Amino acid sequence: GAGVSQSPSNKVTEKGKDVELRCDPISGHTALYWYRQSLGQGLEFLIYFQGNSAPDKSGLPSDRFSAERTGGSVSTLTIQRTQQEDSAVYLCASSQGGIQETQYFGPGTRLLVL
Amino acid sequence: QKEVEQNSGPLSVPEGAIASLNCTYSDRGSQSFFWYRQYSGKSPELIMFIYSNGDKEDGRFTAQLNKASQYVSLLIRDSQPSDSATYLCAVIRRVDTGRRALTFGSGTRLQVQP
Repeated sequence: GAGVSQSPSNKVTEKGKDVELRCDPISGHTALYWYRQSLGQGLEFLIYFQGNSAPDKSGLPSDRFSAERTGGSVSTLTIQRTQQEDSAVYLCASSQGGIQETQYFGPGTRLLVL
Repeated sequence: QKEVEQNSGPLSVPEGAIASLNCTYSDRGSQSFFWYRQYSGKSPELIMFIYSNGDKEDGRFTAQLNKASQYVSLLIRDSQPSDSATYLCAVIRRVDTGRRALTFGSGTRLQVQP
């Protein structure tokens, strides 16, 4: 079956603009995760959804970042008033059950804020 | 102290040798441990997970967990140039009552020399 998909694959935007990143998890996976990875760095956890609710938003770096998930499937990560330090690869992952389950990653969205 | 620590490397080994990758974690209550491989420009993919003390073998890969010493390692036997990648250690730890978090280390870059 299809894996995790993300769109767009690349996004270039100007500082101050809003961006929306989309994640389509593997069908039937109840848990969905967003991470950020800056060049040469490890994965930075942003937010975790179980179904449509977000038990853990602790990783969101500021109130400019928000995420939602509807219908227990697709999720969008929104960054308002983008800053240059937001430039990174944004990775989405999904898993069948809770946090103890194996996560399968999407290809990521490469965001560049000029 | 970081919650999950890895030597950034690069760790360079000759083809056919055993590569040993190490990871230490700070939370003694951590429960589940994962090793992901990430090729340059690609998303992470799971190699192995381990929950119990001791060794777990899968093909050329062996994960070793020592909860008393709070470390987990990954051994790659008969290393191949195609094993050259960054290896990420991930740990599930209990954040508070009923809530757990998955934390990634920053990764160790492995180079297998032909």
